[in-house]
Amino acid sequence: DSGVTQTPKHLITATGQRVTLRCSPRSGDLSVYWYQQSLDQGLQFLIQYYNGEERAKGNILERFSAQQFPDLHSELNLSSLELGDSALYFCASSGRGPGLFFGSGTQLSVL
Amino acid sequence: AQSVAQPEDQVNVAEGNPLTVKCTYSVSGNPYLFWYVQYPNRGLQFLLKYITGDNLVKGSYGFEAEFNKSQTSFHLKKPSALVSDSALYFCAVRDPNYGGSQGNLIFGKGTKLSVKP
Repeated sequence: DSGVTQTPKHLITATGQRVTLRCSPRSGDLSVYWYQQSLDQGLQFLIQYYNGEERAKGNILERFSAQQFPDLHSELNLSSLELGDSALYFCASSGRGPGLFFGSGTQLSVL
Repeated sequence: AQSVAQPEDQVNVAEGNPLTVKCTYSVSGNPYLFWYVQYPNRGLQFLLKYITGDNLVKGSYGFEAEFNKSQTSFHLKKPSALVSDSALYFCAVRDPNYGGSQGNLIFGKGTKLSVKP
């Protein structure tokens, strides 16, 4: 168990809808990262937050946004969903110890 | 542009034999290199990293990786494979556009390792 919790595990929705993915980092970790994993694009960095502030932005679409709350949990908001947004979305945190600690992911299916 | 290549989609090894999963990289400046493993229905797990120092890096579960600057490679190795090593392995490099953070990574496409009894 990595200590990173993501909910929900699975999400099925329709095109044009909006969803929110939630992530709780390991206790004490201040940095949260969001990654998208798809068959065609592989693993891509989306965005990083550190202690409530956006630190870096990667290949994140304008339809997507994120935030990190005072209790350090983070949410990734995906809106105007398209079929191509179907993917596995991972949250990871870092702090103590080497490397990133990944959650088990949220599998998003857009129908 | 920064990139990571894993030239093999799949590597098949017999249990007890040595294994190698290949990775080459292209990045400006000194590379920070990582290996992660993904088991089915799980998130990625950190195996090892190279930042500086000894070219042979030892990591979790008996894995090691050899950094070769002239060949821009960072191959993952294990002397004796186990069936339980079967998983998807990702090589990654820190994206230098994001400064000191080790979490903004560029990942390879992954290599599926299959270890047969």
